[in-house]
Amino acid sequence: DTEVTQTPKHLVMGMTNKKSLKCEQHMGHRAMYWYKQKAKKPPELMFVYSYEKLSINESVPSRFSPECPNSSLLNLHLHALQPEDSALYLCASSQDRTSAQETQYFGPGTRLLVL
Amino acid sequence: GESVGLHLPTLSVQEGDNSIINCAYSNSASDYFIWYKQESGKGPQFIIDIRSNMDKRQGQRVTVLLNKTVKHLSLQIAATQPGDSAVYFCAENGSSNTGKLIFGQGTTLQVKP
Repeated sequence: DTEVTQTPKHLVMGMTNKKSLKCEQHMGHRAMYWYKQKAKKPPELMFVYSYEKLSINESVPSRFSPECPNSSLLNLHLHALQPEDSALYLCASSQDRTSAQETQYFGPGTRLLVL
Repeated sequence: GESVGLHLPTLSVQEGDNSIINCAYSNSASDYFIWYKQESGKGPQFIIDIRSNMDKRQGQRVTVLLNKTVKHLSLQIAATQPGDSAVYFCAENGSSNTGKLIFGQGTTLQVKP
């Protein structure tokens, strides 16, 4: 089973709202990722968690706050977003970040619209 | 710098024909490559991968070829079907051991019935 699940599927929020995106995997993977994808563009890495610790932050604005409560869950807390933050937010997981030859498996994404 | 690129943004093929999607990479230290398929409204789906100690790897109806001499990667899809219509991304692991993938810009495959 190579399934990564994400909720919600769609989200509309105002610039003053606080919301959270959720990601879950039950493959025993120890690395989890957040990506942002704009239309007709490749995914852009935002954060990497390895063994529940944040290992990479790709200079993402602080209005995006990741959290890894346990090895199966990954959250992305959103606050005071801008309309340009509207995008597809993808979660991915892999067996182990410390190996460079790891396949990342993606979830279906959350389509976010900021008004 | 590191970059992964695809030669054509859009590829249109007739149903039943074979498709070849190309990708060029610039980092000779990359030793792992992945092809993803992304259908409209969905997340990228793993298709096939290849490590640098191989030149060719086959899956079900798909073949990935790696030419390290010219830093070229290709995905071949046999007997292309309408369900193959999607955006295809190649990705490489680059020279860092961070788990960070470098994606190409994507090629849209359109299958004509």
